[in-house]
Amino acid sequence: DVKVTQSSRYLVKRTGEKVFLECVQDMDHENMFWYRQDPGLGLRLIYFSYDVKMKEKGDIPEGYSVSREKKERFSLILESASTNQTSMYLCASSLIYNEQFFGPGTRLTVL
Amino acid sequence: TQLLEQSPQFLSIQEGENLTVYCNSSSVFSSLQWYRQEPGEGPVLLVTVVTGGEVKKLKRLTFQFGDARKDSSLHITAAQPGDTGLYLCADSGNTGKLIFGQGTTLQVKP
Repeated sequence: DVKVTQSSRYLVKRTGEKVFLECVQDMDHENMFWYRQDPGLGLRLIYFSYDVKMKEKGDIPEGYSVSREKKERFSLILESASTNQTSMYLCASSLIYNEQFFGPGTRLTVL
Repeated sequence: TQLLEQSPQFLSIQEGENLTVYCNSSSVFSSLQWYRQEPGEGPVLLVTVVTGGEVKKLKRLTFQFGDARKDSSLHITAAQPGDTGLYLCADSGNTGKLIFGQGTTLQVKP
């Protein structure tokens, strides 16, 4: 079974802090994705990567950056956290684009 | 931009009842996936449908893809409390990125 793990289930940070969210997958998938999920807005794609050191902006990249130094690991970085970045963050990986495997999510609260 | 509309938004039923939820697209689907997300967890892929008119069954769940490939339905027979969750449809579109509907929240009461 594909396993996608995320570093934290719950995280509380203060405005202005730098925040790192880590995602690791164990199935040698090329593609990895970061989404945020908010009530009424559904899942929105922040960034994705189709290869090591490659990244592409999704629909809402502002205020975020990513890093993919190794195939199995995809990090999401909030350079200066703001309250409007309070959300559920979901990481996913896929061998082909249309079948994604998701991690359990990180619920981030920015105070 | 492709839009996926799911209905109903919310559904609360008693254990043992049947239900159907729908997913409609503003344009033809490339390939359609259905996911279920339990509270506090990430979405889990249930099925992928590609061919117009296709019907797939997964235990008590029946997935149907419209002939014109612009709509899909998910039917659950004899719902159980374990079916509770958010049901999401998604399409890969022509960009390779998944586009999600807003989802249908299902609550099955014992």
